[in-house]
Formats: sequence, structure tokens, C-alpha cells
Amino acid sequence: AQTVTQSQPEMSVQEAETVTLSCTYDTSENNYYLFWYKQPPSRQMILVIRQEAYKQQNATENRFSVNFQKAAKSFSLKISDSQLGDTAMYFCAFMKPGWTSYDKVIFGPGTSLSVIP
Amino acid sequence: DGGITQSPKYLFRKEGQNVTLSCEQNLNHDAMYWYRQDPGQGLRLIYYSQIVNDFQKGDIAEGYSVSREKKESFPLTVTSAQKNPTAFYLCASSRNSDTGELFFGEGSRLTVL
Repeated sequence: AQTVTQSQPEMSVQEAETVTLSCTYDTSENNYYLFWYKQPPSRQMILVIRQEAYKQQNATENRFSVNFQKAAKSFSLKISDSQLGDTAMYFCAFMKPGWTSYDKVIFGPGTSLSVIP
Repeated sequence: DGGITQSPKYLFRKEGQNVTLSCEQNLNHDAMYWYRQDPGQGLRLIYYSQIVNDFQKGDIAEGYSVSREKKESFPLTVTSAQKNPTAFYLCASSRNSDTGELFFGEGSRLTVL
């Protein structure tokens, strides 16, 4: 069974600084997707970034980038130039595309990030 | 605006009562999901549905029930058989494609008194 681990329950960063959130996962699959989701205090969760396992190039979305190490099964999220609006719970997630249209997403326990003015 | 609407946002229930949480989407997504969120445990899948009139149990389905009579709607009933129902419940949807992206509602917080 696939598992997702986030070893940092809470983190903080000064505004404008850079922070890295860690995520490791366990799977025997070769083809899969990895995600980072953000859940701000308003509670609506949104997708931050997505990585396809067969792509070697790390995904980037503006200030958010990932360091995907497939052999190490590591998928960290780097937030550059941190802003107050980045304060949120961040969830790492794994998905294996199924043979049918069933997509089951497995979430890690989350990292609570606080950006300090 | 397209999105997912959950209601109510806050709900209080006495022990022994069933309660139904509403989830409606206008994104024309085929798949819908119910997750339970507890501190330190991330999101756990309760039920999911790929198409109308079909749904499957997730990892923690005991004490819950769902229906999918319309594509837009996927209500969750928390029954009196659920031993620890106080939690935050999230509804999500996705296209049946390989993107894997989930779209979430704002959630419903259920408190059992």
C-alpha cells in the first residue's frame, strides 16, 4: 500500500525568506503523480503544484517549486519569497492512475506553515 | 462561477441522531469524494463515486452512507453508528482524466454534543 509521510508538523518562516517542506512516500509503482495542496485558514483546499513521475524536470509554479527525487521517493516543496498569504496547512499527496477511471489520492498528515511578518 | 458548495458550514448533533451533509458541484465533474479531516491525520477517504448511481467505500466508510442520484450532488449521511463523528468533512470532485487534480468545497464542521 502507498503511504505519504510529512515529518514536519509545524514550520515557520520570515516573510520574504525561503522555506522547504519535506515529503516522502512509499510505493512500488513506477508511474504516478505527486501533488502539493494548500489549505489556508479559510479552509478551501487548492492545488499548488503537480509532478508526473515520468518527468525528470521538477515542476515550478511561480514562487513554488519542487525537488522530486524519484529514487529516494522524496518530493519537497520550496516556497520562495514567502508571503503572509502563504500561511496555511500544506498536504503532500500521491496518486496512481488506475486501470479504470478510479483515481485514489493518498494524503500525508500535513505541515502547518506560518509566515511571520 | 463554477465550484463545489458544501452545507451547512457548521452543524451540531446530539448523540444518536443521523445528520446529512450536502455537497453540490457545477463543474460537470464525473467523480466525487468525501474526506474526513482530523488534526495530525491528513485526509481520509470515506466514500467516492465515479458515476451516477454508483459509489464505493473508501478507507473509513463504517458509520457513513452516501447516494449519487444526480451528477451534481453527493450527500453524506453520518449515522448514529459512527462512533466518533466530530470532525471536519471535505467534499471534492475531479474529472475522470489523468490530471488527478481534486477540487474541494469549503468543508463542513460537525460537532456531536
